[in-house]
Amino acid sequence: GAGVSQSPSNKVTEKGKDVELRCDPISGHTALYWYRQSLGQGLEFLIYFQGNSAPDKSGLPSDRFSAERTGGSVSTLTIQRTQQEDSAVYLCASHQNTEAFFGQGTRLTVV
Amino acid sequence: AQSVSQHNHHVILSEAASLELGCNYSYGGTVNLFWYVQYPGQHLQLLLKYFSGDPLVKGIKGFEAEFIKSKFSFNLRKPSVQWSDTAEYLCAVRVGAGGGNKLTFGTGTQLKVEL
Repeated sequence: GAGVSQSPSNKVTEKGKDVELRCDPISGHTALYWYRQSLGQGLEFLIYFQGNSAPDKSGLPSDRFSAERTGGSVSTLTIQRTQQEDSAVYLCASHQNTEAFFGQGTRLTVV
Repeated sequence: AQSVSQHNHHVILSEAASLELGCNYSYGGTVNLFWYVQYPGQHLQLLLKYFSGDPLVKGIKGFEAEFIKSKFSFNLRKPSVQWSDTAEYLCAVRVGAGGGNKLTFGTGTQLKVEL
């Protein structure tokens, strides 16, 4: 596609439920990031995929968070047993040797 | 690991005022530097970038940034802001000359321009 696509754009879930957020990067981009943007907070790095290398998971806030990138393209961020503090906008970005291009984000609200 | 500092978290200016937003990073080697902007309701987009060459970089909408290696800084400037510049501004650094390294973002500066 022309840009980075994320789905869903909005997600409301009950506390304790699991959620999956999807990111379709720009075709051919080998690097893919997940970030979290909370109200009043900056951009928080979660996880980074680069080609076939092992992902950099150093930003994941707890073991309830995990991400996969299948076939070097689509990525899924999974949050298990969601908590209210997980409410945020989850952003995906991809790049190929230049600047990163961001998706519109998924606004997650845990009630 | 590299870090990026943006010391101004919230800035309020009147239209036509000059703007300078600070960005400092901690890595001493080769870096690529970026400023991103997020207008209300829109996604993050690139404002300008520095890879090499002239340390004074011109971006869109009249913005510029100067890379000062000795100060580990990449401050964003605009001589005269407009109401439409109200947005969040994020500085980012990527270590190394190649494209395979991770971007590190600062915490952002929320700019509000008043009429």
